[in-house]
Amino acid sequence: EIVLTQSPGTLSLSPGERATLSCRASQSVPSSYLAWYQQKPGQAPRLLIYGPSSRATGIPDRFSGSGSGTDFTLTISRLEPEDFAVYYCQQYGSSPWTFGQGTKVEVK
Amino acid sequence: EVQLVQSGAEVKKPGESLKISCKGSGYRFTSSWIGWVRQMPGKGLEWMGIIYPGDSDTRYSPSFQGQVTISADKSISTAYLQWSSLKASDTAMYYCARVTSLRSGNERGWFDPWGQGTLVTVSS
Repeated sequence: EIVLTQSPGTLSLSPGERATLSCRASQSVPSSYLAWYQQKPGQAPRLLIYGPSSRATGIPDRFSGSGSGTDFTLTISRLEPEDFAVYYCQQYGSSPWTFGQGTKVEVK
Repeated sequence: EVQLVQSGAEVKKPGESLKISCKGSGYRFTSSWIGWVRQMPGKGLEWMGIIYPGDSDTRYSPSFQGQVTISADKSISTAYLQWSSLKASDTAMYYCARVTSLRSGNERGWFDPWGQGTLVTVSS
């Protein structure tokens, strides 16, 4: 099973700042099959990025994904108030698919 | 619009059985895998397993194999997650989500969209 480790656990930033979230896999993710999701309190997760750099429909271009092999990054170029949330990475290249433990982006 | 609608919140006692549902609409239900994800209170997301409604082929995470049963009724475009004997530790929010991929019917895909979640509370 591929274990995904996200860092940092919590990111304290101000609106307008750049956020860089890391997702590291215990072994190479086949075909870089990695996705990112955003979850706000009381809501279901929402897909942001897949494959690992394609934006989902309707996702603003301030969100971008990159990486390959074992190291992946989600970047939010300029934080908007609605971007403060928890972010999860997920690999779907090797069964069982697995999630990282999440990174919380909070207002500084 | 592709949509997944889950059944309502449940309150059960330890040892009871339960089956929750997830109804798909807006797409060919038999041509996409559907998965289940657990989120325990205040915790992260856990991948439980997926099912292909077209032929009921199923994959389970080792952590959930034997603990739950995933099934589907393609005649009513509905997937299910069931327990035969609930434990207090099953208390969680459960989400269903459609597996989407570049190739129709491929199990290696991302989750989109998600259902609204079903809260299961198990308490004596």
